[in-house]
Amino acid sequence: QITLKESGPTLVKPTQTLPLTCTFSGFSISTSGVGVGWIRQSPGKALEWLALIYWDDDKRYSPSLKSRLTITKDTSKNQVVLTMTNVDTVDTATYYCAHTVYFGDRHFDYWGQGTLVVVSS
Amino acid sequence: DIQMTQSPSSLSAAVGDRVTITCRASQSISTSLNWYQQKPGKVPNVLIYGASTLQTGVPSRFSGSGSGTEFTLTISSLQPEDFATYYCQQSFSAILTFGGGTKVQIK
Repeated sequence: QITLKESGPTLVKPTQTLPLTCTFSGFSISTSGVGVGWIRQSPGKALEWLALIYWDDDKRYSPSLKSRLTITKDTSKNQVVLTMTNVDTVDTATYYCAHTVYFGDRHFDYWGQGTLVVVSS
Repeated sequence: DIQMTQSPSSLSAAVGDRVTITCRASQSISTSLNWYQQKPGKVPNVLIYGASTLQTGVPSRFSGSGSGTEFTLTISSLQPEDFATYYCQQSFSAILTFGGGTKVQIK
């Protein structure tokens, strides 16, 4: 069965870099069509898509955050890492990673439990 | 970017009511539209993908329709466990976007 779990710091200071790791099981990101995305949700706010990486290393980013985000994958470790630079208090949110498949409707069918990140000095 | 606009942003309904939520895209997205349900403190859960295909395990009281720029999520008979926030998401563009959400509350 497919599972995903996010990990990373719970508290980050403004201007620092936030590294988030998604560790998954039940699938391989080297399998044709597979993708892992990151979505966040600020407290009381809507879902916001951040980035997505596919099996072929194609990477997509939210235009509003593109300059601050980097997404990478480690196939051997079954991990996807999202790095966000120069964080601000507005980046306080729960960050989710989720599985998707490129061939089809690219919906997120499996989600991690989410990790709350607070940006504060 | 393709902007997704949901309406209403919130609604109050009673158990047994028929509920309809609308999602509009800023440009045509064919049927590349997915719906999610999120209960308070919980992870979002896909209900419908491809505008009208019910995810496995989702009750048949949920249905989706639409194409192009206008889509609807319908709950035919609202149940207590359906009180939640619903989000649409377009997957037509490589740059994915979510709608602002619709909170369904108890009347």
